[in-house]
Amino acid sequence: ETGVTQTPRHLVMGMTNKKSLKCEQHLGHNAMYWYKQSAKKPLELMFVYNFKEQTENNSVPSRFSPECPNSSHLFLHLHTLQPEDSALYLCASSPETRGSNVAFFGQGTRLTVV
Amino acid sequence: DAKTTQPPSMDCAEGRAANLPCNHSTISGNEYVYWYRQIHSQGPQYIIHGLKNNETNEMASLIITEDRKSSTLILPHATLRDTAVYYCIVRPLEYGNKLVFGAGTILRVKS
Repeated sequence: ETGVTQTPRHLVMGMTNKKSLKCEQHLGHNAMYWYKQSAKKPLELMFVYNFKEQTENNSVPSRFSPECPNSSHLFLHLHTLQPEDSALYLCASSPETRGSNVAFFGQGTRLTVV
Repeated sequence: DAKTTQPPSMDCAEGRAANLPCNHSTISGNEYVYWYRQIHSQGPQYIIHGLKNNETNEMASLIITEDRKSSTLILPHATLRDTAVYYCIVRPLEYGNKLVFGAGTILRVKS
C-alpha cells in the first residue's frame, strides 16, 4: 500500500465509449502524474500537475483529458480511444515537482480498448 | 536530463547479494540518482535515492562513485520476490523535475 489508489484496476471499453480513470492519494502531496506503459515499453510520462495546475502535457492526444480538481484527486477522461491505447495507466504523486522528494505510484489501471 | 545506461538483464542466486550497475556519465551537480523497481504489471516501487554519498535503507544500499558517473544498487540478500525490472533514474532538483524511465534491468533471482 503506497497511499496512492487507482480505480478501476481493470477496464475494457469500446472505441466509442467514454470512461474515466480515477487516482486518489492520501499522502498530502501537491504534485500528481499520469504515466502510460504499453506492452514491453518503458513508462511514458503523460501529464504533470503541481498544486492543481497542469505543468506538463507530453504531446498527449486530445482523446486523453486530465482533470485535477484538488491536490488529492486526479482523473483521466477517455473518449474515442484506439486499440493501440490499450496499456497500463499509472498515477503517481510527490510532495511537489522540485527538490529531492520521492514519488509514489498506484497499482495502475489495465485498460483494454476493443 | 542526464541519460542512464543499465544492462538489460541479470541473474542472481537466491540468498546472494544482487549488484545492479548504472552508468550516468553525463550527470550534473544538481541531479539525484533514484532507483525504482517494477514487479510484473504492478506500479513502480521506490527503493532508494542519493546525491553523492552512499545511502542505505531497509531495502537496499546505493553506492555512488566519487565522480558520480556511475552507481550500484545492492540488494544484500536477494529473494525470489526481488525478481523485477529495476530502473535507475537521474532526476534534477529544479522546478518541473520528473521521473523519466528507461528500459531498466530485468533481475531474475533463481533458487
